[in-house]
Amino acid sequence: GQQVQQSPTSLVLQEGENAELQCNFSTSLNSMQWFYQRPGGSLVSVFYNPSGTKQSGRLTSTTVIKERRSSLHISSSQITDSGTYLCAMEPASSGQKLVFGQGTILKVYL
Amino acid sequence: EAAVTQSPRNKVTVTGGNVTLSCRQTNSHNYMYWYRQDTGHGLRLIHYSYGAGNLQIGDVPDGYKATRTTQEDFFLLLELASPSQTSLYFCASSDARQDTQYFGPGTRLLVL
Repeated sequence: GQQVQQSPTSLVLQEGENAELQCNFSTSLNSMQWFYQRPGGSLVSVFYNPSGTKQSGRLTSTTVIKERRSSLHISSSQITDSGTYLCAMEPASSGQKLVFGQGTILKVYL
Repeated sequence: EAAVTQSPRNKVTVTGGNVTLSCRQTNSHNYMYWYRQDTGHGLRLIHYSYGAGNLQIGDVPDGYKATRTTQEDFFLLLELASPSQTSLYFCASSDARQDTQYFGPGTRLLVL
């Protein structure tokens, strides 16, 4: 079954609204990461967040390892935030491998 | 700034063809990875390596070979390409276990 479940699948926001993206894991994990991908583009790491809360500008990631979940909060969204956000986990038994979710497609309009 | 480059950026081949995708990283990272990205499946790990001469099997290895010739260079080989291997391929590298991965720009492969 799907080890990494992301929600929502897609999200449409007006500029200035906040977004909350969720990631849930079906197995124990060592760490997790959030990536950002422009359409047809490469992936850029947003957060490497094994546990706890991390903030970078308008982005905040909160990971609770014991509950096997992570969230990415985007405050005051901007058009340039549009793209796909992927979470990835390193399963506890994996040995350096990442397992990716299918992503949340975010569209921000004026 | 991590630098991972891939070549070619686009490739078209026919069924049964031989394809080699190249990846180079210039950051002295130990780990390198090959992924494929497909609609409905997300990113899936094909092969990875933790150093020159080393190869580890990923989650979707069938139909693919890989070789890590140096710390910088990691190649993905499709010896008998099939249409099911049409995809967007990404290479990535990381410094050590439990570290962020840096991705290349991707190679779009079409197998006719």
